Formats: sequence, structure tokens, C-alpha cells
Amino acid sequence: GENVEQHPSTLSVQEGDSAVIKCTYSDSASNYFPWYKQELGKRPQLIIDIRSNVGEKKDQRIAVTLNKTAKHFSLHITETQPEDSAVYFCAASIAGYSTLTFGKGTMLLVSP
Amino acid sequence: NAGVTQTPKFRVLKTGQSMTLLCAQDMNHEYMYWYRQDPGMGLRLIHYSVGEGTTAKGEVPDGYNVSRLKKQNFLLGLESAAPSQTSVYFCASTEGGINSYEQYFGPGTRLTVT
Repeated sequence: GENVEQHPSTLSVQEGDSAVIKCTYSDSASNYFPWYKQELGKRPQLIIDIRSNVGEKKDQRIAVTLNKTAKHFSLHITETQPEDSAVYFCAASIAGYSTLTFGKGTMLLVSP
Repeated sequence: NAGVTQTPKFRVLKTGQSMTLLCAQDMNHEYMYWYRQDPGMGLRLIHYSVGEGTTAKGEVPDGYNVSRLKKQNFLLGLESAAPSQTSVYFCASTEGGINSYEQYFGPGTRLTVT
């Protein structure tokens, strides 16, 4: 089955800096890659996703890049703010199939 | 719309006791999921359902059973609770189909087994 590795497990940045979280996946058939954000004590929520027919997708301060050849994808957050502090999960699946495989998560801490 | 709801929010069980967690969604979603979340382990899929009356095993199904008798509800049962089942349990649902993959999560149930 699919295996998703996520790094780093924790990431501390100063407000205004950029943050990058990286994930690798094992199944070359995977073609859907979402990112979820989970604030402390809250439920995970989708923040951005990308499909394999594009290499990059942006939404304001958040972007995701995908390298299908290397089987890795990354989340980029620019101009970080304290409210970006949360745990971020990457995931992978085959679009049209029903299940996601999640990475173990990255705790992002943004200091004022 | 309430989205995805879970009951109860918290529960403490003794080893060997049984309980059922209820997940309900009002979005008419076809697919529903049960995950457990443990520190440093991410979200691990326990069981899932691709429609009313169907269930399938996920990554960590042992010690759990599920039922999807109605499209809007997905029940997770623990027949004989063990301390290793102490965790936060999340239910999720998604519409299914080729253009909709976002999973919507419930607020979670914190279960402690002593």
C-alpha cells in the first residue's frame, strides 16, 4: 500500500519567515495530494490540494509543489503569522479511490 | 448544516468494557471514515464505508467493528476496550465522485481506557 513520509516533525520560525514542509510518497499511481491543518484541540481541515496534472498551486500565502518523478510534494507558507501555528498533515491517494494515506504531521510554531 | 458531528465528545472506559461511537453527517456524503489519532502517529484509518450498507477495513482495524445502516450515520464499536485503544477518534466524510475528494472531519472523541 501507499506510504507517506513527512519532514520535519517540528518546525519553528519567526513571524514573517517562510516555512516549508516536505512529503514523499511510495505509490507512483497516487495522483491526489491534499494538505490538512489542525489547530490545537480542533479537527483537521483541508487548506490546499493538488492533482498530478499540475506542478504547482497557490492560494494567497500558501503554495504546494509536486514533483512526480521524484515522488515528493511540498507545502510552502510565506509571511508566516502566529495563527499559522498548527499541525500540518500531508496525504496521498489515487483520485477516484476512497482512502487517503496521511503523513505523521508537522508541528509548525510561529513566534511573534 | 451541522456538517459532521460525533458523540460522545469524551469517554472513560475500564478495560473490557464496550462502547459505540456515533458519527452523523448531513451533507448526503457517500463515503465515511473512522480514524484514530495518536501523538506522533498522524491519522490512521480504522474502517471506512463507500455507501450505505458497506464497510471495509483500513490500516488498523483490529479490535473495532463498524456499521453503516443509514447513509448519514457511521458507528464505530469497541467490543472489549484495551488501554492501547486510548486515543482521539475522528470521523470524516466525503462526497465521492471524480471531482470531490475533500474529507470533512468531525470534532473528535477523546477516549481513555484505564
